[in-house]
Amino acid sequence: ETGVTQTPRHLVMGMTNKKSLKCEQHLGHNAMYWYKQSAKKPLELMFVYNFKEQTENNSVPSRFSPECPNSSHLFLHLHTLQPEDSALYLCASSQDPRANYGYTFGSGTRLTVV
Amino acid sequence: QKEVEQNSGPLSVPEGAIASLNCTYSDRGSQSFFWYRQYSGKSPELIMSIYSNGDKEDGRFTAQLNKASQYVSLLIRDSQPSDSATYLCAVNGNNNNDMRFGAGTRLTVKP
Repeated sequence: ETGVTQTPRHLVMGMTNKKSLKCEQHLGHNAMYWYKQSAKKPLELMFVYNFKEQTENNSVPSRFSPECPNSSHLFLHLHTLQPEDSALYLCASSQDPRANYGYTFGSGTRLTVV
Repeated sequence: QKEVEQNSGPLSVPEGAIASLNCTYSDRGSQSFFWYRQYSGKSPELIMSIYSNGDKEDGRFTAQLNKASQYVSLLIRDSQPSDSATYLCAVNGNNNNDMRFGAGTRLTVKP
């Protein structure tokens, strides 16, 4: 496989559930990101990992918990979410933390919290 | 506050016309500029990058950058219905984790 792979593509979860989103990149990139995309709003940066070390937590509620076991894999653990957390969650990677060549995005996970 | 502004649209053009998408940004220190295309229900795909003032052409796409005016645009020549998508402008500074996105412009190309 090439590129950035995200699973699952769609997820419906109750407010008391615990679930995880997975992202894997096969590009040899050194930085990985979680973004939230809501309708008609700019992409919201959630977390950044550079060389598998977390370098940014953009004031994200603790019900979202990232994990980066190595530079190719990124997880987003979800628990006790709220309906307003329903959105498209995008994983991205870049060659280096400055992202001078832009991002490669995964296909996203469409999350619905009921 | 760093911001990237785009007209949300929808922008509607007939097939074969030139579509012009515009973006302004507030951070004068921005160094690199990108256009992403996002089809409905899909993820953003990088289609153009530009780093210096002037025009950069790639097939039917031309990116234009004017750092003095803090303005970047994307022209799509001979627009096709398959170009119908939301186009995201992204602006990057010279520091780590400095990428900022606009909310996107929705383009519709009518046959």
